[in-house]
Amino acid sequence: KAGVTQTPRYLIKTRGQQVTLSCSPISGHRSVSWYQQTPGQGLQFLFEYFSETQRNKGNFPGRFSGRQFSNSRSEMNVSTLELGDSALYLCASSAGIEQYFGPGTRLTVT
Amino acid sequence: GDSVTQMEGPVTLSEEAFLTINCTYTATGYPSLFWYVQYPGEGLQLLLKATKADDKGSNKGFEATYRKETTSFHLEKGSVQVSDSAVYFCALSEKGGSYIPTFGRGTSLIVHP
Repeated sequence: KAGVTQTPRYLIKTRGQQVTLSCSPISGHRSVSWYQQTPGQGLQFLFEYFSETQRNKGNFPGRFSGRQFSNSRSEMNVSTLELGDSALYLCASSAGIEQYFGPGTRLTVT
Repeated sequence: GDSVTQMEGPVTLSEEAFLTINCTYTATGYPSLFWYVQYPGEGLQLLLKATKADDKGSNKGFEATYRKETTSFHLEKGSVQVSDSAVYFCALSEKGGSYIPTFGRGTSLIVHP
């Protein structure tokens, strides 16, 4: 089976812009979770989608949003980018207790 | 709430040395426990898991035993290689519900030839 894929792999944006990241889960996985990874805060959970519905949400401001499509592909959007949003954004898909991660999207905000 | 505490890194070892990375947890129920590994420039990969007390998870020479009495899940390897250099994350997931894991801060391992 193909693994979790994320696009793009690298992104440079300017403060105030918005960005959309994409994640394609492993075939058959209906749960998709998003994480932000930074050196200072470690791995932080953003939200989880299951069957097109947000099932869990972490403690991030409303500028961070996501959605899931009927084929389980997911997107996350960050509006009004801040310098502190620079991070590695990881997507993970799951069919049970194990999470399968993609390679991440490295977002740099200048 | 649930939490996972890992030893601070980096852990620096010579090739063929014995590795221990400590992990302790706090959970309200009886969670499943995991070790994930992140190689440079990549996402996390599941290394091993244990789903109940006294279970031993093992993979690629790494082992960890679920110790309920000490709420610990320490990662060990008898002889590390340069290729084991990575960041290791301990995590727990409560049974039932959505299984969203709680991760530790990660421990960087550097293995020198």
